Amino acid sequence: QLQLQESGPGLVKPSETLSLTCTVSGGSISSSSYYWGWIRQPPGKGLEWIGSIYYSGSTYYNPSLKSRVTISVDTSKNQFSLKLSSVTAADTAVYYCATAGVITFGGVRWFDPWGQGTLVTVSS
Amino acid sequence: QSALTQPASVSGSPGQSITISCTGTSSDVGGYNYVSWYQQHPDKAPKLMIYDVTNRPSGVSNRFSGSKSGNTASLTISGLQGEDEADYYCSSYTSSSTFYVFGTGTKVTVL
Repeated sequence: QLQLQESGPGLVKPSETLSLTCTVSGGSISSSSYYWGWIRQPPGKGLEWIGSIYYSGSTYYNPSLKSRVTISVDTSKNQFSLKLSSVTAADTAVYYCATAGVITFGGVRWFDPWGQGTLVTVSS
Repeated sequence: QSALTQPASVSGSPGQSITISCTGTSSDVGGYNYVSWYQQHPDKAPKLMIYDVTNRPSGVSNRFSGSKSGNTASLTISGLQGEDEADYYCSSYTSSSTFYVFGTGTKVTVL
């Protein structure tokens, strides 16, 4: 049974880069059956998809964040990572990593399971 | 691509049935059978309740069911219980440049 765990700094200064890692256990990140994704949720607000990556390195990003987002995968460590540059207070949120179901023609079908989430606050 | 539209809140008494709507467009909900629903309790991660419009993952109660008509998907909770009080989000694959979109979220209250 897949389990995911986010890790990284809980406080990031404005204009700096937010970096988070998701460690996958109970299965291989090299599986062709899944994408791996990042989703965030500002305090008191709804869910926002950030982006997803396939084990091969193929990525899909939310256009609203694409210019600032990089998602990468490290198959040797069974991890994938998120980098969000030039952060502002608007990027303060709980960040979740999750396993994503694959649509055969490309794209995300669902997210399950999710990590517990990690709160990242952007403040000086 | 805007978020899918859901009612802000829905309420019902224990034992009743409630339905949450999720309205999109022909580029997402109406065009593909890749609608999913998530339940989120306070300070918890979302949990997948329905995928591919109508399918329940293993372990999810059969009191939860999904359907779709045109550009609107629906989640029905029958035999409402106190533990069902939570936020619910729909989501869908979209052929627009956004690729994936969540709904605005609905708070379910058990009276």
